[in-house]
Amino acid sequence: AQRVTQPEKLLSVFKGAPVELKCNYSYSGSPELFWYVQYSRQRLQLLLRHISRESIKGFTADLNKGETSFHLKKPFAQEEDSAMYYCALSSGTSYGKLTFGQGTILTVHP
Amino acid sequence: DSGVTQTPKHLITATGQRVTLRCSPRSGDLSVYWYQQSLDQGLQFLIQYYNGEERAKGNILERFSAQQFPDLHSELNLSSLELGDSALYFCASSGTGLHSGNTIYFGEGSWLTVV
Repeated sequence: AQRVTQPEKLLSVFKGAPVELKCNYSYSGSPELFWYVQYSRQRLQLLLRHISRESIKGFTADLNKGETSFHLKKPFAQEEDSAMYYCALSSGTSYGKLTFGQGTILTVHP
Repeated sequence: DSGVTQTPKHLITATGQRVTLRCSPRSGDLSVYWYQQSLDQGLQFLIQYYNGEERAKGNILERFSAQQFPDLHSELNLSSLELGDSALYFCASSGTGLHSGNTIYFGEGSWLTVV
């Protein structure tokens, strides 16, 4: 069975501080990992996917297969980054079926 | 705007009732997904349809059913509603969902409150 764990339900940082949102997964095959962001109970928006290795809004994430992790990082947090962040995994059996973590609420204080 | 539209945006109904949530995928997308977001269960995959046929099933209750029509819009039917069914129901779509690289786009969700 596949599982995604986001150990922090809440994370608070000050503006300009580095931020890291943790994500660990368990899956026996080769997963595809994503980060989604949700602002104030709006629609989920794709932030990052590991296969594209791009940086969006200053966020990056590296897939570490040895540690089965896909942590989201940003060197300097901004107030507009405050949102709910979900790590998600899709498997080779059905790429559209996403297994989400419980989410981390990030609050960036001024 | 992701291009995925859902109606209604908000719905309040009584226990035991039945409701239908509607979703129009992005133009050209063949796969439609339904997700439930609740405070206690988080975001859970319910079901996927691809070009009119059920493709994958998640934690969908027997009281719930879905279908995708020839014009590719989808409906999620929730019956014998219970208080615990109160949640935000998201629809999402993607090109196919059959291979890696598909981006899944979410709608704004339908808020269901069961009283």
